[in-house]
Amino acid sequence: AIQMTQSPSSLSASVGDRVTITCRASQGIRNDLGWYQQKPGKAPELLIYAASSLQSGVPSRFSGSGSGTDFTLTISSLQPEDFATYYCLQDYIYPWTFGQGTKVEIK
Amino acid sequence: QMQLVESGGGVVQPGTSLRLSCAASGFTFSSYAMHWVRQAPGKGLEWVAVISFDGSHKYFADSVKGRLTISRDNSKNTVYVQMNSLRVEDTAVYFCARAGDSTMLRGVLITGPPSHWGQGTLVTVSS
Repeated sequence: AIQMTQSPSSLSASVGDRVTITCRASQGIRNDLGWYQQKPGKAPELLIYAASSLQSGVPSRFSGSGSGTDFTLTISSLQPEDFATYYCLQDYIYPWTFGQGTKVEIK
Repeated sequence: QMQLVESGGGVVQPGTSLRLSCAASGFTFSSYAMHWVRQAPGKGLEWVAVISFDGSHKYFADSVKGRLTISRDNSKNTVYVQMNSLRVEDTAVYFCARAGDSTMLRGVLITGPPSHWGQGTLVTVSS
């Protein structure tokens, strides 16, 4: 199975900061990657699909980039509601695999 | 309004079986593939399985292959997962989720990441 490695595992940031999370695949996955946000006790919410396409209803401060093996999720100006855990998901080949998650905490 | 409601979770002993259900409403259920994803307490997300819109294609995570079956009843707008030979490490919240638009390419189900999720049902495997 393809391994998805996210970095960092956690980060502390302030409201208004620009935040970048990376996800690396163990083999090329074209642009078949999604990003999710999950808050405690809640289901994940899809933010980005096809590496860079913004899901309907998601604020434009979220953006994604990358292809092949290296991908990035960027939050341009962190808002209070963005403190959560973020996961990447490769949907290139079965079995699909998630990254281990990146927890974004308040500094 | 689209809704997915999981049920069937509970506390079970290792080695036993359990069937989870996910009832869908607010969309044309028979047109969408459906996923199951789980999350062990305090851990990350793990993709478990997917079933195509008509039930003809199914794919599984290596960790559950051979122990888990996925099925659907489009007349009842419900997807199921049957878990056998349960292990302590199967303890998790199990989410069902609706896939994005799907297509078949060379006999393989192609679908985007799930965009709508239920709230999950907790399965605890413990003696």
